[in-house]
Amino acid sequence: QSVLTQPPSASGTPGQRVTISCSGSSSNIGSNYVYWYQQLPGTAPKLLIYRNNQRPSGVPDRFSGSKSGTSASLAISGLRSEDEADYYCAAWDDSLSASVFGTGTKVTVL
Amino acid sequence: QLQLQESGPGLVKPSETLSLTCTVSGGSISSSSYYWGWIRQPPGKGLEWIGSIYYSGSTYYNPSLKSRVTISVDTSKNQFSLKLSSVTAADTAVYYCAQVLSGYDRYYYYYMDVWGKGTTVTVSS
Repeated sequence: QSVLTQPPSASGTPGQRVTISCSGSSSNIGSNYVYWYQQLPGTAPKLLIYRNNQRPSGVPDRFSGSKSGTSASLAISGLRSEDEADYYCAAWDDSLSASVFGTGTKVTVL
Repeated sequence: QLQLQESGPGLVKPSETLSLTCTVSGGSISSSSYYWGWIRQPPGKGLEWIGSIYYSGSTYYNPSLKSRVTISVDTSKNQFSLKLSSVTAADTAVYYCAQVLSGYDRYYYYYMDVWGKGTTVTVSS
């Protein structure tokens, strides 16, 4: 059972802005960094955002992350067809001494 | 460029032990900056963190799997391995290995920045 909660799906038309939420608790998001992973169909996950809002080299600035209290968000602006994928948030949980993933959100480009 | 490659049997019988190896190329598993981890994904479901190991042998395990999991490292071969005992159909999944960055700055950080392509393991008689 996932410790971090995400909406199962999100959608938008090309060019729109889509936001995905990730809800946790004081032992994970509330006290540690949040990360986001993108999983394109049939492929391994890829690091999209690290330390709440940092983008690895090569990740377009259309992707942005934020954190407030025990929740975090991933925003995709200027939505493109190639953004259709599953997105997972993650954080370290101090109570579990474990890394925990969100339930995952499937983004569909209409 | 760092690459990770999972290997091992694609089919394991119930009650037996699942064994996988991750071979690291393009970098040293003995680097002081990294842990090395395993993550799995059951068919059609989300990601589950299994655990990770430092080159010195220090480990973190998912509490829900801890009693059945052993992660080990072989620095001479630049490999690390996963053993999961007493498997059932619920352990059927794609298993990924990954390089993990871990440490402290303002907060504790722990994240997988390079992933292998994954290997499918089916538990069935």
